[in-house]
Amino acid sequence: DAGVIQSPRHEVTEMGQEVTLRCKPISGHDYLFWYRQTMMRGLELLIYFNNNVPIDDSGMPEDRFSAKMPNASFSTLKIQPSEPRDSAVYFCASRPTGQMNTEAFFGQGTRLTVV
Amino acid sequence: SQQGEEDPQALSIQEGENATMNCSYKTSINNLQWYRQNSGRGLVHLILIRSNEREKHSGRLRVTLDTSKKSSSLLITASRAADTASYFCVYAGNQFYFGTGTSLTVIP
Repeated sequence: DAGVIQSPRHEVTEMGQEVTLRCKPISGHDYLFWYRQTMMRGLELLIYFNNNVPIDDSGMPEDRFSAKMPNASFSTLKIQPSEPRDSAVYFCASRPTGQMNTEAFFGQGTRLTVV
Repeated sequence: SQQGEEDPQALSIQEGENATMNCSYKTSINNLQWYRQNSGRGLVHLILIRSNEREKHSGRLRVTLDTSKKSSSLLITASRAADTASYFCVYAGNQFYFGTGTSLTVIP
């Protein structure tokens, strides 16, 4: 397996534009997580899905952020409209279901810069 | 916030020395894991310790867990320059909560 795949790796956009980040989890993994990493706040859990259903989105900073998982092999994180303070590295991770004592596998991240 | 805390925030040692990082967490856990992140890259899993375990070894890594104190430590023995990275404890129920991280610099 190629691991968790995120795209794009880098994104530079202007304030006010819509940004869509994409994630393909490892096949067979039923949990998917979105994280945001900044110098100020570290790694924050934004939302996680189980079997394509959002379970906890309490970490989503505001209504400008939305996440979907239309099927088991794809998830998106959308920011609309984007703001400079959204600049961060966004990570997606997945892990198998039914196995609490397993690791999460992380993608390489998307570095977002909003100017 | 469910975010845990690690100390020290930064650690600088000479190659060959041991490095110890500590983690405190806030909730009951099924397991606690440690991850490494090289600058600007993704996170790599290092080791997992279950809530009913007290100590675990993997190569040059030694992890301890004290659930009564909600704390864990990671020891890297005989450090190498390649160990330079940020280290995070991650405690897991269904979701994974990250600590604040320790930035380790190993000087050749």
